[in-house]
Amino acid sequence: DAGITQSPRHKVTETGTPVTLRCHQTENHRYMYWYRQDPGHGLRLIHYSYGVKDTDKGEVSDGYSVSRSKTEDFLLTLESATSSQTSVYFCAIRDAGSYNSPLHFGNGTRLTVT
Amino acid sequence: AQSVTQLGSHVSVSEGALVLLRCNYSSSVPPYLFWYVQYPNQGLQLLLKYTTGATLVKGINGFETEFKKSETSFHLTKPSAHMSDAAEYFCAVSGGSNYKLTFGKGTLLTVNP
Repeated sequence: DAGITQSPRHKVTETGTPVTLRCHQTENHRYMYWYRQDPGHGLRLIHYSYGVKDTDKGEVSDGYSVSRSKTEDFLLTLESATSSQTSVYFCAIRDAGSYNSPLHFGNGTRLTVT
Repeated sequence: AQSVTQLGSHVSVSEGALVLLRCNYSSSVPPYLFWYVQYPNQGLQLLLKYTTGATLVKGINGFETEFKKSETSFHLTKPSAHMSDAAEYFCAVSGGSNYKLTFGKGTLLTVNP
C-alpha cells in the first residue's frame, strides 16, 4: 500500500469553526490531491498540488484552502465550516513519471459539520 | 476537458454471473482511463489502467476491460462474480498534460448468493 496517512480519521465540528485536515505521504511523490466524496456525486476534486508551494483549484474549491510547505504534507483547511462540507475527504498522491500513472488514495477523513 | 459517465448507479448480479459495469468517456485528447474499487470504509484501490495501444486490459481480481474508441467506452467486466466483489466501482479519466483525474459517480455492485 502507498504510504499515505490522513488525520484525523473522524471529526465532528460546529458550523463556523475552522478545520484543518492533514495528508502525509512517505513516497516522495510530486502530485498530491484532495477529493471529497458524497453520495450521488462520486469523487470531486477540491485542490491539488504539483510541488512544494505549488497548488491549483479543482472543481469544488470554494470554501477550502490548501498549503504544501513540504513534499510530504498537504493540508486542507475549511476556513469556516458549513453543513454542506459534511463529507468524506480523500487525499491522493501520484508519481509524476507519466501521464497514465495512477492515483493512490488514503483511507479518508469523515467530517461532520453540525 | 474530459468527463466520464457511469451507466447505472446500482448493479445487482448473482454469484457466478457475468459482471458488466458501464463507463463512457469524453476527452478532447487521447485519454488515460482507470477503474478503481472501493470497499466499505476504505479508500479507493486501483483495479486497472488503460495503456495506449491496447484494447483489452486485465486488472486485479479477474476484472478486465475492453477499450472501444469508436464507442468511447471503457466497460468493466468479470466472467464470474464472487461475493467478495461487492463494492463500489469508479471509472476515471485524465488527458494530455493534465494530471487531474476526473471520476464518474460510481456504480455499487451487489452480489447475491
